[in-house]
Amino acid sequence: DTGVSQDPRHKITKRGQNVTFRCDPISEHNRLYWYRQTLGQGPEFLTYFQNEAQLEKSRLLSDRFSAERPKGSFSTLEIQRTEQGDSAMYLCASSMTGEIYQETQYFGPGTRLLVL
Amino acid sequence: KQEVTQIPAALSVPEGENLVLNCSFTDSAIYNLQWFRQDPGKGLTSLLLIQSSQREQTSGRLNASLDKSSGRSTLYIAASQPGDSATYLCAVLIYNQGGKLIFGQGTELSVKP
Repeated sequence: DTGVSQDPRHKITKRGQNVTFRCDPISEHNRLYWYRQTLGQGPEFLTYFQNEAQLEKSRLLSDRFSAERPKGSFSTLEIQRTEQGDSAMYLCASSMTGEIYQETQYFGPGTRLLVL
Repeated sequence: KQEVTQIPAALSVPEGENLVLNCSFTDSAIYNLQWFRQDPGKGLTSLLLIQSSQREQTSGRLNASLDKSSGRSTLYIAASQPGDSATYLCAVLIYNQGGKLIFGQGTELSVKP
């Protein structure tokens, strides 16, 4: 399978615990994005990387959230001291830098987080 | 601030009908507009991408149009099938924001056999 993969697919945790999600992009893609999607809404941008550099972070990404892409390949998204409001689907996408007008992002299956 | 709106929020049609989904956006400074499909509990699948200089794109039974000046796009689905049942999302790629996509809230489509 050469698509974007995410792990785990589902995570249930208790309020106050830390969680970490992993995303493996399509191998030749140098851009990687994280989005969050709540029920009945479209995805909202969280952050993105070009290679290992984190180029933008949304205001949605509070201090409890941190993302890394240490070698420009896979990425992790960590949420510390989870809150019930963090319950959502966390989506990862990747793309290849090229002609911006044609750039398509390829999405993974998502990690569904439930904070009890 | 760019805002993307999709109407209707939900749509139910009998199999075989042709249908139109609508998407509007407030800022015309976009590189492209994309339509995605999302099945329940799953990720997004790209359906069509229209560059800002283009008026429409077609793929099989799908046709998407873009009128950048009026901030509107439509997704036309011909001869709908039960397998088309899913949520359809439009998203715009905006200028000088890296690759950040701004999404609408989606239209949930149900095609009844």
